Amino acid sequence: AQSVTQPDIHITVSEGASLELRCNYSYGATPYLFWYVQSPGQGLQLLLKYFSGDTLVQGIKGFEAEFKRSQSSFNLRKPSVHWSDAAEYFCAVVNTGGFKTIFGAGTRLFVKA
Amino acid sequence: DSGVTQTPKHLITATGQRVTLRCSPRSGDLSVYWYQQSLDQGLQFLIHYYNGEERAKGNILERFSAQQFPDLHSELNLSSLELGDSALYFCASSATGTANSPLHFGNGTRLTVT
Repeated sequence: AQSVTQPDIHITVSEGASLELRCNYSYGATPYLFWYVQSPGQGLQLLLKYFSGDTLVQGIKGFEAEFKRSQSSFNLRKPSVHWSDAAEYFCAVVNTGGFKTIFGAGTRLFVKA
Repeated sequence: DSGVTQTPKHLITATGQRVTLRCSPRSGDLSVYWYQQSLDQGLQFLIHYYNGEERAKGNILERFSAQQFPDLHSELNLSSLELGDSALYFCASSATGTANSPLHFGNGTRLTVT
């Protein structure tokens, strides 16, 4: 069965520092991968997606992610974090047949001044 | 604003009761997904409807049921409620029948069972 692992429950970074959130997936074929962000009291919002092609994908709010098949990873990065980036981030994979999206447990990002 | 509307925003009810959560998808979207979010279980997929038909089922209890109506809005019915059903319930919609299309989430319904 498909699964997604986000090894870090929470991460704290300083404002202006770079960020990398880790995501590992388990899937037999080329997966469809997503990163979503959830701000407090809100639903999830799509940051970026990977279906095929260029393994480095750009998203909204200055985020990017790199698909590495050899490592079964899809890590999210941002070169300079802003205080408004504090939120919970979810990595997700679409299952075989594509009828449901499976989410990781999430990584909560704290940004310190 | 995602365009997905969920009502009510908050619901407080007692054990054993039944509630109905409502979701209006984004205009033009044919798929509706329901998810349950809790601290211990994370985001759990419950069920997916596409154009009125059930497409996929996840970890949905038998006490829970859902449907999608001809106008594409969806309702999630939770019955014989237990304390453990307290959670945030999200609805999401997408344009197509497969989850390859990104999901657009509502702001959720927070259910508290006392």
